[in-house]
Amino acid sequence: EAQVTQNPRYLITVTGKKLTVTCSQNMNHEYMSWYRQDPGLGLRQIYYSMNVEVTDKGDVPEGYKVSRKEKRNFPLILESPSPNQTSLYFCASSSQTARYSNQPQHFGDGTRLSIL
Amino acid sequence: AQKITQTQPGMFVQEKEAVTLDCTYDTSDPSYGLFWYKQPSSGEMIFLIYQGSYDQQNATEGRYSLNFQKARKSANLVISASQLGDSAMYFCAMREVQHDNQFYFGTGTSLTVIP
Repeated sequence: EAQVTQNPRYLITVTGKKLTVTCSQNMNHEYMSWYRQDPGLGLRQIYYSMNVEVTDKGDVPEGYKVSRKEKRNFPLILESPSPNQTSLYFCASSSQTARYSNQPQHFGDGTRLSIL
Repeated sequence: AQKITQTQPGMFVQEKEAVTLDCTYDTSDPSYGLFWYKQPSSGEMIFLIYQGSYDQQNATEGRYSLNFQKARKSANLVISASQLGDSAMYFCAMREVQHDNQFYFGTGTSLTVIP
């Protein structure tokens, strides 16, 4: 089954404790992306990647890191989490090349992160 | 400036009626794509419909259609014959091809279908 898998689905942790949210897709998609969703703000793009070893900042990259060492994986790293990073996080992927815009993104089920 | 604007935080529609969800966008990129997603209360994001900036005809997918008015930079979603299962958050999104393919989402419209 074609899917984007995020882990964990839920996490409660404390300020400053490094954490990683994993994202994996089995559709051989070039494009992968991370979003955070906050009430009243919609989804905001954190980082995205057009292909392996290529990553770019979205609208809200501060406090986050990503890497794209393999095509299928795109982990989101919070080196020193803070309470303002409490949010619902989505990973997404699409079969997108640089020249075409018509492919929808496939989303993971989301990770609800609480930083105390 | 907001790239995607959804001015209706909440909408109500009677079952079996049609409803239009508004979306306006801001871009100087001649090549872009517009998307609508549905997010039910269970939280997953479901792709509904796509419209490309060069598409001559409005996109349709079953009960969903996109009223694309390029000069006005609007891409409204029309849901015909509303069903109770249509109650959800709806997000409009845009991808700018020349601007590094970054995606922008609106703040969403919460649709409630009344029996």
